[in-house]
Amino acid sequence: DVKVTQSSRYLVKRTGEKVFLECVQDMDHENMFWYRQDPGLGLRLIYFSYDVKMKEKGDIPEGYSVSREKKERFSLILESASTNQTSMYLCASSLGQPNTIYFGEGSWLTVV
Amino acid sequence: DQQVKQNSPSLSVQEGRISILNCDYTNSMFDYFLWYKKYPAEGPTFLISISSIKDKNEDGRFTVFLNKSAKHLSLHIVPSQPGDSAVYFCAASKVGRGSTLGRLYFGRGTQLTVWP
Repeated sequence: DVKVTQSSRYLVKRTGEKVFLECVQDMDHENMFWYRQDPGLGLRLIYFSYDVKMKEKGDIPEGYSVSREKKERFSLILESASTNQTSMYLCASSLGQPNTIYFGEGSWLTVV
Repeated sequence: DQQVKQNSPSLSVQEGRISILNCDYTNSMFDYFLWYKKYPAEGPTFLISISSIKDKNEDGRFTVFLNKSAKHLSLHIVPSQPGDSAVYFCAASKVGRGSTLGRLYFGRGTQLTVWP
């Protein structure tokens, strides 16, 4: 079974703090993704990566950055957290094609 | 602009009956479609998929139908069970030359409630 692990399930951070969300997958997948889910807005893609040290912007990259130093690990960074970044963050990975992606359990971030 | 649309935010069905969840897409380059199921406080889980070379794919109680000319797909759940109550997301991707290597485009989801 594919395993995508997000290191933190629940976080509370203060406005202006730097926040790191970590994700690890154990299936040697090429592609990794960060989404956020908000009620009524569905799943919105923040960033994705198709190889080590490679990254592509998704639909809502503003306020976020990512790091992929190793194939199995993809980190999402909020440089200066703001209250509108309070959300559920979902990491995912896929082998490529067919494009079935597998999600982690999610990280609930609250910025106060 | 949303390329994958789920126009019904919610659906309520009695246990034992059929649930039909609908999804429309606008990009004719999409050729692989998926449905994901999501419980609260959990990540989405893959449910079923269909390639554009087919018009139907079945897996147990779940069947996905694809109508390419209408750019429409639907997920049928028969019979519906209370444990099926969840948010269902439709997703699509482009395969082949020029693909962004696995990117999925999601709809906004439909909350299915199955009542006893």
